[in-house]
Amino acid sequence: GAVVSQHPSRVICKSGTSVKIECRSLDFQATTMFWYRQFPKQSLMLMATSNEGSKATYEQGVEKDKFLINHASLTLSTLTVTSAHPEDSSFYICSARDRQDYGYTFGSGTRLTVV
Amino acid sequence: AQTVTQSQPEMSVQEAETVTLSCTYDTSENNYYLFWYKQPPSRQMILVIRQEAYKQQNATENRFSVNFQKAAKSFSLKISDSQLGDTAMYFCAFMMPGAQKLVFGQGTRLTINP
Repeated sequence: GAVVSQHPSRVICKSGTSVKIECRSLDFQATTMFWYRQFPKQSLMLMATSNEGSKATYEQGVEKDKFLINHASLTLSTLTVTSAHPEDSSFYICSARDRQDYGYTFGSGTRLTVV
Repeated sequence: AQTVTQSQPEMSVQEAETVTLSCTYDTSENNYYLFWYKQPPSRQMILVIRQEAYKQQNATENRFSVNFQKAAKSFSLKISDSQLGDTAMYFCAFMMPGAQKLVFGQGTRLTINP
């Protein structure tokens, strides 16, 4: 079945630094990838939708200058949290949609801790 | 805008019992897709089952089945012969064919007790 690889699974960074999270579709082409944020015991909150070769579409209230998304190829999207602060600490999940199917496959998530 | 509501924040049943998780949604569209996702303690989102709105037959995947009531805008998940490994958060989700993105419910935390 479809597999999405997300790295790193855990990252700790210092306040003010930037951290990059990668999301790769391993065995299918994903024209569209999605980035979510999940707070403890809550649902997934969509941050942005990224389409290959074009600018990401951010949800209302999400700072596009803080959360930089790049979708440079049909198999790779990256989320960069810039100038991270403790309030950015969270669980981030990516998902990819197979262009030949309406299904979604999720990455295993990244636990970001900003100290 | 479409919304998805899961009215049961938490549920708990004994192993081997049958449990039903409820989900309602709001849309004025006729064609759409519905999903149930499972998020175990590992936090990996796993697709449990999906249903196309144009199909009248309820989807079934082994011990998992849905009761899709289109007129009532209801999409419940039934887990038969529940197992300890079914312990997880369960999310109901809705998608419009052209909108691409999933709309999630608030989730139901299901605990299967030995």
